[in-house]
Amino acid sequence: EVQLVASGGGLVQPGGSLRLSCAASGFIFSSYEMNWVRQAPGKGLEWLSYIGSGGTPIYYADSVKGRFTISRDNAKNSLYLQMTSLRADDTAVYYCARESNRRENTFDYWGQGTLVTVSS
Amino acid sequence: DIQMTQSPSSLSASVGDRVTITCQASQDIRDYLNWYQQKPGKAPKLLIYDVSNLETGVPSRFSGSGSGTDFTFTISSLQPEDIATYSCQQYANLPLTFGGGTKVEIK
Repeated sequence: EVQLVASGGGLVQPGGSLRLSCAASGFIFSSYEMNWVRQAPGKGLEWLSYIGSGGTPIYYADSVKGRFTISRDNAKNSLYLQMTSLRADDTAVYYCARESNRRENTFDYWGQGTLVTVSS
Repeated sequence: DIQMTQSPSSLSASVGDRVTITCQASQDIRDYLNWYQQKPGKAPKLLIYDVSNLETGVPSRFSGSGSGTDFTFTISSLQPEDIATYSCQQYANLPLTFGGGTKVEIK
């Protein structure tokens, strides 16, 4: 069974940093492209970042470019999102999402989400 | 960036009703459109890919149509378990973008 378990969220002050993790199981992690998507309270989904199966290429949304860094460790079946210079509008539930091998840019499995709250 | 405009933002319908949601792209996205279902407190779930193709296991009461800039998502006979928010997503260009979502409730 495919499982994606996101963790690392919490309360952080503006300007602070946080590292999110996503533990994958039930599939060959190194064969799949991965993404991070977030959802602010009461808002729609926002794609944040993509990473290729081998670690490249990498793409970011403009809203997080230069502040967030996506990475992966295929030996540990894990995806990461390093977040710095956090702002109040980064408050959201952050989801890791697997990209379908058969359909580009289509998310066939999602983690349960981890809540990040940026507040003083 | 391609803007995805969904309407309505919410709707209330009775069990058995036909429900239709529209999604309009700010530019031509050909058939690069997916639909997701998100139940309260849960992660999104892929329902339809490439405009009209049902993901494995998705009931046939769900369907999608459209091309270019105008797309439609339909539930032919609303069931209590369909209570959720439905979102479209374009993947013609980066950044990938989603519609604002349509919250479907039972009347």
